[in-house]
Amino acid sequence: AQSVAQPEDQVNVAEGNPLTVKCTYSVSGNPYLFWYVQYPNRGLQFLLKYITGDNLVKGSYGFEAEFNKSQTSFHLKKPSALVSDSALYFCAVRDNNNAGNMLTFGGGTRLMVKP
Amino acid sequence: KAGVTQTPRYLIKTRGQQVTLSCSPISGHRSVSWYQQTPGQGLQFLFEYFSETQRNKGNFPGRFSGRQFSNSRSEMNVSTLELGDSALYLCASSGSHNEQFFGPGTRLTVL
Repeated sequence: AQSVAQPEDQVNVAEGNPLTVKCTYSVSGNPYLFWYVQYPNRGLQFLLKYITGDNLVKGSYGFEAEFNKSQTSFHLKKPSALVSDSALYFCAVRDNNNAGNMLTFGGGTRLMVKP
Repeated sequence: KAGVTQTPRYLIKTRGQQVTLSCSPISGHRSVSWYQQTPGQGLQFLFEYFSETQRNKGNFPGRFSGRQFSNSRSEMNVSTLELGDSALYLCASSGSHNEQFFGPGTRLTVL
């Protein structure tokens, strides 16, 4: 079985400051890891993914994430937060031993960026 | 390329009725997955279809079913609706690069 934990329901950060949204995962095989963002009344928007290779992954809108195998973590980061980054963020994992695209999501973290 | 489209966007039904939701994937994508999003349970995987065959299935009762057509469009059906089926139903399509692209969802309200 695979699982994802996002330990913080909400993260508050001031505009211009760096932000981190935490994610830890559990899979039996090698993980494919993803971050998605959801704005109100919208579907999920893909931000970035880790499949293999460099542990630091760069994605859309200046976001990046660091894969840490020993800590089974995949934290989302951005050097300078914008008010427009305020949204709901989801981490997801897929076990690459399983055929198909089934994703297991974390519970989500609401990011609030204040001016 | 056009994104994933879902119809209808909003739906109101009463308990005991059945409902069919539709999803058109991104052109060229053969995999379509369905997810249920609720405030209490979060995002949960329902099922995935690839080339008209169900490839994965989540832990939902048999009232939830789906199918995929030869043009990759997919439908999901929920029979004998319950109040707890009220949710945002999200469809996602995937090509050869592993990431899934989500549609805007169908908001189902069961009264």
